Amino acid sequence: DAVLTQSPLSLPVTLGQPASISCRSSQSLVHSDGNTYLNWFQQRPGQSPRRLIYKVSNRDSGVPDRFSGSGSGTDFTLKISRVEAEDVAIYYCMQATHWPPYTFGPGTKLEIK
Amino acid sequence: EVQLVESGGGLVQPGGSLRLSCATSGFTFTTYWMQWVRQAPGGGLVWVSHINNDGSDTKYADFAKGRFTMSRDNAKNMLYLQMNSLRSEDTAVYYCTRDAAGIEYWGQGTLVTVSS
Repeated sequence: DAVLTQSPLSLPVTLGQPASISCRSSQSLVHSDGNTYLNWFQQRPGQSPRRLIYKVSNRDSGVPDRFSGSGSGTDFTLKISRVEAEDVAIYYCMQATHWPPYTFGPGTKLEIK
Repeated sequence: EVQLVESGGGLVQPGGSLRLSCATSGFTFTTYWMQWVRQAPGGGLVWVSHINNDGSDTKYADFAKGRFTMSRDNAKNMLYLQMNSLRSEDTAVYYCTRDAAGIEYWGQGTLVTVSS
């Protein structure tokens, strides 16, 4: 299975400041079709997860442009350019390249400092 | 608007069974693979199972093999998860999800509690 690790696991951020979350895979997430199926999800307290980013860097509809994804191979990053109060959540990366199973990172809890 | 509405969760004793349902709307159900994902209280997200468009192919996490059965009724736009021989470690919120380049949309989840 492709194991995903995230860092940091806890991320205190001042409002208006940037934030960055790393996701690393135990194996390359480049699929034989040429795509890299690495997604990012946001789970606000008491809510279901919501996808923010798919295939490394593509923002889903309605996702603010302060969220961006980057990376390749085994190393990926989710960046928030300026953190807002509504961004308080747990952020998960997930891979759908090597499946079954789809695997998720352990989550990064973003809080306001 | 894509909607995924789970039902069927509840309290069940160890060794018991539950059937989860997911009513879908707002999209062409037959076009999409579907997945179940679960989340234990205070825990992370764990993939449970997959089904392809016509229901001819299913895949399961190791912990679900032999105990869980995923199915779909394309005429009714419904997804199901039959769970047998339930254990305390199966206690979780179970999410119905739609697949597009990996998991895309999530339902609100249904809580399954396995306890005596």
